[in-house]
Amino acid sequence: AQKVTQAQTEISVVEKEDVTLDCVYETRDTTYYLFWYKQPPSGELVFLIRRNSFDEQNEISGRYSWNFQKSTSSFNFTITASQVVDSAVYFCALSESQDSSYKLIFGSGTRLLVRP
Amino acid sequence: EAGVAQSPRYKIIEKRQSVAFWCNPISGHATLYWYQQILGQGPKLLIQFQNNGVVDDSQLPKDRFSAERLKGVDSTLKIQPAKLEDSAVYLCASSLELAGSYEQYFGPGTRLTVT
Repeated sequence: AQKVTQAQTEISVVEKEDVTLDCVYETRDTTYYLFWYKQPPSGELVFLIRRNSFDEQNEISGRYSWNFQKSTSSFNFTITASQVVDSAVYFCALSESQDSSYKLIFGSGTRLLVRP
Repeated sequence: EAGVAQSPRYKIIEKRQSVAFWCNPISGHATLYWYQQILGQGPKLLIQFQNNGVVDDSQLPKDRFSAERLKGVDSTLKIQPAKLEDSAVYLCASSLELAGSYEQYFGPGTRLTVT
């Protein structure tokens, strides 16, 4: 069965620290997609990145980077030099090609608090 | 490009009352999703439409929840009668097509409180 685990419920860091948010997933499908979304206090989920199961290249976008490792079923997200504006709840999600709806299965989220 | 619109943003009702939420997806997006997000949890899919047809409603409590997307654009989600456990944020999302390679764009949500 599909499952996404975000073991870190809440992380608190001081501004300019680096922080890594962990995501572990379970799937029987060989073709699947992984996502990260940010949910600021306003409540709207903001898309950050999508990765398909055949692309294990790490990606960097500004201060954000993602490490996808199929061998450990992990898709971790690192924020470098964190800022107060990064404070939000971050969700990792999975969708499978065998699921005709391609619905997103979300983890329970990690609340990140960046203190000035 | 306008994002996903939802209304109302907040709603407070008493249990056993009915309530309806409205969603207008991004123009041209064929696929529309309704998710329920209970406080402290990740969103959970309730129902999904491809144009005006239902793709997945397996997690929709059909004895009290209903949804429609009559013209393949706007959608309405209704709860009748509401229960205390329905208190949650109801998120609407849309994507260009029905495929995992397309990201879903979310609206601001409707926060429902049932007292």
